[in-house]
Amino acid sequence: DVKVTQSSRYLVKRTGEKVFLECVQDMDHENMFWYRQDPGLGLRLIYFSYDVKMKEKGDIPEGYSVSREKKERFSLILESASTNQTSMYLCASSLAQPYGYTFGSGTRLTVV
Amino acid sequence: KQEVTQIPAALSVPEGENLVLNCSFTDSAIYNLQWFRQDPGKGLTSLLLIQSSQREQTSGRLNASLDKSSGRSTLYIAASQPGDSATYLCAAPDSSYKLIFGSGTRLLVRP
Repeated sequence: DVKVTQSSRYLVKRTGEKVFLECVQDMDHENMFWYRQDPGLGLRLIYFSYDVKMKEKGDIPEGYSVSREKKERFSLILESASTNQTSMYLCASSLAQPYGYTFGSGTRLTVV
Repeated sequence: KQEVTQIPAALSVPEGENLVLNCSFTDSAIYNLQWFRQDPGKGLTSLLLIQSSQREQTSGRLNASLDKSSGRSTLYIAASQPGDSATYLCAAPDSSYKLIFGSGTRLLVRP
């Protein structure tokens, strides 16, 4: 089975800190995605990538950046964390369509 | 633009009951439809993936159907158990392969 690993289950960071959320997949998937999930708002796409060194903005990219230097790793970066970025962050990967997505176990980030 | 809707938003049933969760989508030219399960505070676990050429998929007590002409999918859970309590999400990719999610059905199976 494909495995998507997110480096941390829980993180607590201070306002203004630079935060890195790491995601690694082990099945040579081309596509990788970062979502955030908030109560009442559902899952919202932040950034995605179809290939190494390639990135595309999703629906809510403001305040975030990403890095994909290797095919298996997709990093989400909060340049200057703010309290409104407190959320559950979910990483996913997939082969090109029409195959399905595999999600990681999520990172619960709290910014204080 | 693909939109995905799930009803009901919440469902409470006694253990042993068979139940159906509904998912509708607006763009019938979908590549596939995927059902996920999410436990509180956890990530999403893929349950079933139905390709556009398929009508249904089965895994254990779960059966998912797809009717592209009507823009509907259903997830049937047979003989429900308390361990089935979770939020169930359906999702379909849009024309640029980004996954569009429904808002989910929160299921509680009472012992």
